[in-house]
Amino acid sequence: EVQLVQSGAEVKKPGESLKISCKGSGYSFTTYWIGWVRQMPGKGLEWMGIIYPGDSDTRYSPSFQGQVTISADKSINTAYLQWSSLKASDTAMYYCVRHEVVPAAIQDHYYMDVWGKGTTVTVSS
Amino acid sequence: DIQMTQSPSSVSASVGERVSITCRASQEISNWLAWYQQKPGKAPKLLIYAASTLQSGVPSRLSGSGSGTDFTLTISSLQPEDFATYYCQQTNSFFPLTFGGGTKVEIK
Repeated sequence: EVQLVQSGAEVKKPGESLKISCKGSGYSFTTYWIGWVRQMPGKGLEWMGIIYPGDSDTRYSPSFQGQVTISADKSINTAYLQWSSLKASDTAMYYCVRHEVVPAAIQDHYYMDVWGKGTTVTVSS
Repeated sequence: DIQMTQSPSSVSASVGERVSITCRASQEISNWLAWYQQKPGKAPKLLIYAASTLQSGVPSRLSGSGSGTDFTLTISSLQPEDFATYYCQQTNSFFPLTFGGGTKVEIK
């Protein structure tokens, strides 16, 4: 069974650092893009960025570029999302998502076929 | 960025009714659109990709249509398990990938 298992809920203070994880199983971890989606309380879905664990190629949404770091350790089939200095506005649910890619002539197309259960991050003083 | 606009933002319907949700892209995206369903407290689930292809296991009462800038998700006969929030997403690799604002389907 294809699964993405995310790390547990976190409660942090503003200014603290954090790294959450997502472990893939049941598929070839190095051959699928894996990324992160944010959902703030009561709000919609926001795509943050993705990484290709095979070569660590990483793409970010401009909204999140410089705010977070996406990484992966292919030796343990795990992707990460990290913050160096959390803000209260980072309070949200974060989903780890596998991206299926459909090659096309001009550009490839990415949709999200497997989702983790989510990691709740609460930042409060 | 490609902006995705869904309408309505919420809809009330009864079991057995037909429900349609629309999604409009700010520029032409061919048929490169996906739909997701999210139930309260749960992760989203992929329903449809390439505008009209049902993901494995998705019931046939759900269907997707459209091309270019205008797309529709239709539930032909609403069932209790269909009450949820639905999101469209453009799948174009001119990043960022973007979602619509969501449509909540509620019980009338």
